Amino acid sequence: GAVVSQHPSWVICKSGTSVKIECRSLDFQATTMFWYRQFPKQSLMLMATSNEGSKATYEQGVEKDKFLINHASLTLSTLTVTSAHPEDSSFYICSASDGEDTQYFGPGTRLTVL
Amino acid sequence: GENVEQHPSTLSVQEGDSAVIKCTYSDSASNYFPWYKQELGKRPQLIIDIRSNVGEKKDQRIAVTLNKTAKHFSLHITETQPEDSAVYFCAADGGSNYKLTFGKGTLLTVNP
Repeated sequence: GAVVSQHPSWVICKSGTSVKIECRSLDFQATTMFWYRQFPKQSLMLMATSNEGSKATYEQGVEKDKFLINHASLTLSTLTVTSAHPEDSSFYICSASDGEDTQYFGPGTRLTVL
Repeated sequence: GENVEQHPSTLSVQEGDSAVIKCTYSDSASNYFPWYKQELGKRPQLIIDIRSNVGEKKDQRIAVTLNKTAKHFSLHITETQPEDSAVYFCAADGGSNYKLTFGKGTLLTVNP
């Protein structure tokens, strides 16, 4: 139980393009989803908290217009990196919670911006 | 907001030895303290967690202790095996919204 999937697992794009990453809870309803970014050999940094049907809450320093988050259903949240640049290259990981405090992580998406 | 400090940043042990990783947190409202294991390029996997109403929790070779007065918690791995080698992260929830603040991680290497 408590399986979270992410798609794609890796993506390479050109600078200036937009990339969409999907996060799905496969066997439970996720009232809250979280988006993290992890640079090599560093910890997980929370970018935003996403609740189904409402606007995402972004952490300080995270540009909401650059990192668009949509949580349209209890099983799906999407992160769109708009006008991506090389400095956005990172490992993006989502997690999902079923209303309790435990977070279950997706497998991550490695984004490389050329 | 919550601040989590984790030590050591690297830890090397011989197979069969014990490993201890320590974390401190700043927000006394924190109630939930999970530990995650992350292998290179993989997702963080929850290995054990503890809540503020408990002082210690054990699951086979893994145990976690919590001292709310001192605001620190520790991960103990006994009889380490090479497959325990990974980066371990502690986290605390800051007492609200289930947001987790992570420590910087500990790279554990278990030498055969």
